[in-house]
Amino acid sequence: QVQLQESGPGLVKPSGTLSLTCAVSGGSISSSDWWSWVRQPPGKGLEWIGEIYHSGTTNYSPSLKSRLTILVDKSKNQFSLKLTSVTAADTAVYYCAKVLVVQGGSFDYWGQGTLVTVSS
Amino acid sequence: DIQMTQSPSSLSASVGDRVTITCRASQSITTYLNWYQQKPGKAPKVLIYAASSLQTGVTSRFSGSGSGTDFTLTISSLQSEDFATYYCQQSSSIPRTFGQGTKVEI
Repeated sequence: QVQLQESGPGLVKPSGTLSLTCAVSGGSISSSDWWSWVRQPPGKGLEWIGEIYHSGTTNYSPSLKSRLTILVDKSKNQFSLKLTSVTAADTAVYYCAKVLVVQGGSFDYWGQGTLVTVSS
Repeated sequence: DIQMTQSPSSLSASVGDRVTITCRASQSITTYLNWYQQKPGKAPKVLIYAASSLQTGVTSRFSGSGSGTDFTLTISSLQSEDFATYYCQQSSSIPRTFGQGTKVEI
């Protein structure tokens, strides 16, 4: 059973950089699936941020693309997110998730989520 | 971007009720439509993938239908553990987009 675990600072200053890592266990990040980030502002809906394949190929949300970098580290079986120039609008619970391509591109495994607050 | 619109945004129902939630895509997504259930403080859980396929381990009370632009999630007989927020999500094209959610309340 695949497990995902997010880690990173829970508080980031405005104009700073939000950095998170998702550790994958119980499965290989080199499988034929995509690895994704999804966020949820407090009390609001889900927003897809972007995703990466083990080859390093990425897809990003157009609204975040200019500030976003997603990387994969196959040696550590993990992937990461960096979001620059953050504002209060980036405050959210950030989830990492696996995209199961053979099942309609659904997010079949999720991390527990980590709250990141942007505040001085 | 493909916009996903769910209706209603919220609904009140009782245990045993049949509940239907709809999701409309702004353009055809064939059957690249998934449904999730989210409870407070928890990550979403996939219920239905590819519009009508039941995820392994999910109760058959849940069913999905539709293709093209119009989709439906049905709960045949609502149970207490089904009170949650439900989201549709399209995987036809990038960016992958979610509906705004439907909160099912007592």
